[in-house]
Amino acid sequence: AQSVAQPEDQVNVAEGNPLTVKCTYSVSGNPYLFWYVQYPNRGLQFLLKYITGDNLVKGSYGFEAEFNKSQTSFHLKKPSALVSDSALYFCAVRDQGNTGKLIFGQGTTLQVKP
Amino acid sequence: EAQVTQNPRYLITVTGKKLTVTCSQNMNHEYMSWYRQDPGLGLRQIYYSMNVEVTDKGDVPEGYKVSRKEKRNFPLILESPSPNQTSLYFCASATGRWNEQFFGPGTRLTVL
Repeated sequence: AQSVAQPEDQVNVAEGNPLTVKCTYSVSGNPYLFWYVQYPNRGLQFLLKYITGDNLVKGSYGFEAEFNKSQTSFHLKKPSALVSDSALYFCAVRDQGNTGKLIFGQGTTLQVKP
Repeated sequence: EAQVTQNPRYLITVTGKKLTVTCSQNMNHEYMSWYRQDPGLGLRQIYYSMNVEVTDKGDVPEGYKVSRKEKRNFPLILESPSPNQTSLYFCASATGRWNEQFFGPGTRLTVL
């Protein structure tokens, strides 16, 4: 079965420090991977995706993610965290069937402290 | 502005009282989907639609209905809501089932 795991419920970083939010996946075949961010009382906002090509994907708001096929990981990164990055982050993989559904991880709360 | 809108944003209702949550997108997207978000469970797909008059069940369709009479609208219908349908609901749309999905702001439903 396809699945996504986000091993950390919460990540705490100081403003200005680099951040990493971890994600591992399990799919058969080539994965279509996504990162979304959810701010309080808001819907999910698309950050970036990996379909094929370069393993380092750049997205919105200075975020990037590194696809690692051998480790089945797709970690979200940012070189310098901002307090405004504090939010709930979801990793997702596209279902390999015809439903088009996204299979989401449990989410990781990122807390950036001044 | 390109967006997905949902109404209402918040709803408190009682068991058995039929309700509809509307979803509309202005991006001419073919694909639309409903998810529910519950603590510790992430988001799970309820129903999806590939195009007008084409709908199908997701992972948790029990107790829900949908319709897709127009491309822009994809309402979620709860014929007889129950407390276990208390959740945060999101509508999403995409140009196709393989592309990134754009989410609405969510509808927080409480069934007493």
